[in-house]
Amino acid sequence: ELKVEQNPLFLSMQEGKNYTIYCNYSTTSDRLYWYRQDPGKSLESLFVLLSNGAVKQEGRLMASLDTKARLSTLHITAAVHDLSATYFCAVRLSSNSGYALNFGKGTSLLVTP
Amino acid sequence: NAGVTQTPKFQVLKTGQSMTLQCAQDMNHNSMYWYRQDPGMGLRLIYYSASEGTTDKGEVPNGYNVSRLNKREFSLRLESAAPSQTSVYFCASYSSGEQYFGPGTRLTVT
Repeated sequence: ELKVEQNPLFLSMQEGKNYTIYCNYSTTSDRLYWYRQDPGKSLESLFVLLSNGAVKQEGRLMASLDTKARLSTLHITAAVHDLSATYFCAVRLSSNSGYALNFGKGTSLLVTP
Repeated sequence: NAGVTQTPKFQVLKTGQSMTLQCAQDMNHNSMYWYRQDPGMGLRLIYYSASEGTTDKGEVPNGYNVSRLNKREFSLRLESAAPSQTSVYFCASYSSGEQYFGPGTRLTVT
């Protein structure tokens, strides 16, 4: 059974600070996703990481993937209030499971002045 | 393109009532999914349909049935709702490595 663990689950940080969210998964997968969710809204795709060493950046967010360690990180640089949201990582299951996603529990991020 | 649409957006049921959640996508995707989201639990897969005419159980299928009516539509039915099914339900479709999520249905069972 594929398990996906995120930490921390809750994060309160000051504007301007840096922080990293970690995502560990238990078995091999060929694709890892990061999503953002605002309260009462659906999921917004942030990054799709395909291969070992992949790094993607969008604004103040940077995601990386280490398939050997089964670890992905989402790094936040110089946080601003608009980044307050819940962030999920998800790992793609195999074709035997219809390429469904297995999600972590999410990291609830609050950026304060 | 509307993407993935879901109806209704909100629903309140009494224990034992039945209802069907509707999902449609206009992107001609083969694969579709139903997830539920509970506080602190992330999203969990209920059922999926890899192609028209096929459906399979996910992680938490008990208490639910699905129908892949055609390539566009994938419905989720609760035959006898229970308070434990209070949740937010998301439908999604998949193509080219990307999942596309609907806006969600917020269901409360009292």
